[in-house]
Amino acid sequence: GQQVMQIPQYQHVQEGEDFTTYCNSSTTLSNIQWYKQRPGGHPVFLIQLVKSGEVKKQKRLTFQFGEAKKNSSLHITATQTTDVGTYFCAGNSGNTPLVFGKGTRLSVIA
Amino acid sequence: DVKVTQSSRYLVKRTGEKVFLECVQDMDHENMFWYRQDPGLGLRLIYFSYDVKMKEKGDIPEGYSVSREKKERFSLILESASTNQTSMYLCASKKEVQETQYFGPGTRLLVL
Repeated sequence: GQQVMQIPQYQHVQEGEDFTTYCNSSTTLSNIQWYKQRPGGHPVFLIQLVKSGEVKKQKRLTFQFGEAKKNSSLHITATQTTDVGTYFCAGNSGNTPLVFGKGTRLSVIA
Repeated sequence: DVKVTQSSRYLVKRTGEKVFLECVQDMDHENMFWYRQDPGLGLRLIYFSYDVKMKEKGDIPEGYSVSREKKERFSLILESASTNQTSMYLCASKKEVQETQYFGPGTRLLVL
């Protein structure tokens, strides 16, 4: 079945450094979604990408969807302590349920 | 605002007990999901439902069952709880298959 791989599993950065997490699917995706889970919280939707090669920005966060619609990335510029949490990508093909990556846990050292 | 609520934040049960986890959403969503989340394993789909009285197995349905008698409520049932079902259980809902998924706060279940 469809698999979504996400790397790295953990990332520790100094406050102010950049951070990137990558997501790769075994199949072509209809769309990809990104979620953030704060420590002790639940996943919260950040953004959805639908078009091949799409790039979207939310303040310091930049999301990209690959040309082949099989990979995606989330880049955070100049991390802050409020960025701490686990970032999940999730994609689906057609009408199948979302398949989640295992997430990247970001730690930010002040 | 979409609201997804779960009946308990924390639950402690004994091996062999029957456990009910309730999830309610207030936005008339057709699709509802149950996941479990374990360290290093991410979110794994247990069961989902596309409509009332409909249910579909996810990736790890063994040891679980579900019930969707009303559109707003999706229940996860552990027929005979076992220690390997100790986990965080997350419910989610959404209107259409390719739309945003909204998660409940989660239930942390400990089976002794």
